[in-house]
Formats: sequence, structure tokens, C-alpha cells
Amino acid sequence: TQLLEQSPQFLSIQEGENLTVYCNSSSVFSSLQWYRQEPGEGPVLLVTVVTGGEVKKLKRLTFQFGDARKDSSLHITAAQPGDTGLYLCAGASGSARQLTFGSGTQLTVLP
Amino acid sequence: DSGVTQTPKHLITATGQRVTLRCSPRSGDLSVYWYQQSLDQGLQFLIQYYNGEERAKGNILERFSAQQFPDLHSELNLSSLELGDSALYFCASSPAGTGSVWQFFGPGTRLTVL
Repeated sequence: TQLLEQSPQFLSIQEGENLTVYCNSSSVFSSLQWYRQEPGEGPVLLVTVVTGGEVKKLKRLTFQFGDARKDSSLHITAAQPGDTGLYLCAGASGSARQLTFGSGTQLTVLP
Repeated sequence: DSGVTQTPKHLITATGQRVTLRCSPRSGDLSVYWYQQSLDQGLQFLIQYYNGEERAKGNILERFSAQQFPDLHSELNLSSLELGDSALYFCASSPAGTGSVWQFFGPGTRLTVL
């Protein structure tokens, strides 16, 4: 069974601060996705990374896929209250026909 | 708006009952996935259908079943409901040819079993 562990589980920071969320596994994934979910809504796909060592930037968000494709990180610069939400990583392997989701990081950005 | 629709938005029922959740995928998407999200279990994959046929199974209970119809909409049937079945149920769809990588989620159905 492939498991994805996210840390921290909860994070509460002030507006303007930087933060990093981690997603780790002992398994290799062919690709890894990051989603953000707001209360009462479905997860929204933010980014997909597929190459080991790949870095993608989405405005103030920077996503990195580990060289061995077992881990990933999400860094947010100058966090804003609108960044508040549940951040989920999800991995896909070459043979699996479904995504394995991490347990999520609940981020709260205080104004 | 992801383009995936789910009905109903909320469902309240009693233990032992049976309910049906409905999902319409994005236009053109052939794959439909069902997930259960609870506070203690996170987002758990239940089952996938592709163009009307079951493609993959996850942690789906025997009391639960699903199907995908010729018009590609899907239904998830939950029977003999228990208190522990209370959760958010999400449907997702993905474009053909992308495997399971790009999944677009609906707004979910919140099921409360009393």
C-alpha cells in the first residue's frame, strides 16, 4: 500500500509569513499532484509535477518534486488570508489506476 | 466551477436506509471516480468507472455499489447505512488519455446518517 504523509498537519500563521508543507512517501510516484480544498467544496487541482527535481511556480506558490520522486514540497511566499484551506498532495504510480492522497495540511492565514 | 456536478448537496437519512448519489462528469470526460472523505480517514478512493465499465476498486464496502450509464453520468448507491458512513462523498472526472493524473472534483454530497 502506498502511503503519503503530509506535515505539518495543522499550520496557523500571520499574513505575510512564508511557509512550507511537505509530502513524503517511501514509494516512487510517476507524478504528484497538489490540491487545495476549501470548506464545503471539492479539492481543486493546483499543479502536477512529473519529473524528479522539477520545480513549478504558480504566483506565490512554489512546488518541488524530489529527485527520487518520493517526496514533494509546497512553499508559499508572503501568505495571504485567501491561501487558507486544506492542502492535499496526491501521487500516481505507473501501474495504479487511482491517486493516493495524503492526509492533508490545514493552513490558516490570519490577517 | 470544475464542470463536475453532484446531487444532492446534502442528504440526511437514518441508519439502515439506502441512498443514491449522482454525478455528472465534465463534458467529454470518460472516467468517473468516487471518493469518501471523513475527518479521521481523509480522502479515500472508492471506485473508478471508464466509459461505463468498472476500471479500479479501492476501499469500497460491499454495502456500496456504483455504476456509470451510457450518457456517462454515474451513481453511487449506499445501503444498510451506518452512523460511520456519515461523510463527504466526492465524484471526480478526468480527460481521456491522461490516466488518473488530472482529476477534477465536484462539490460533493454531504451525507449525514442519524
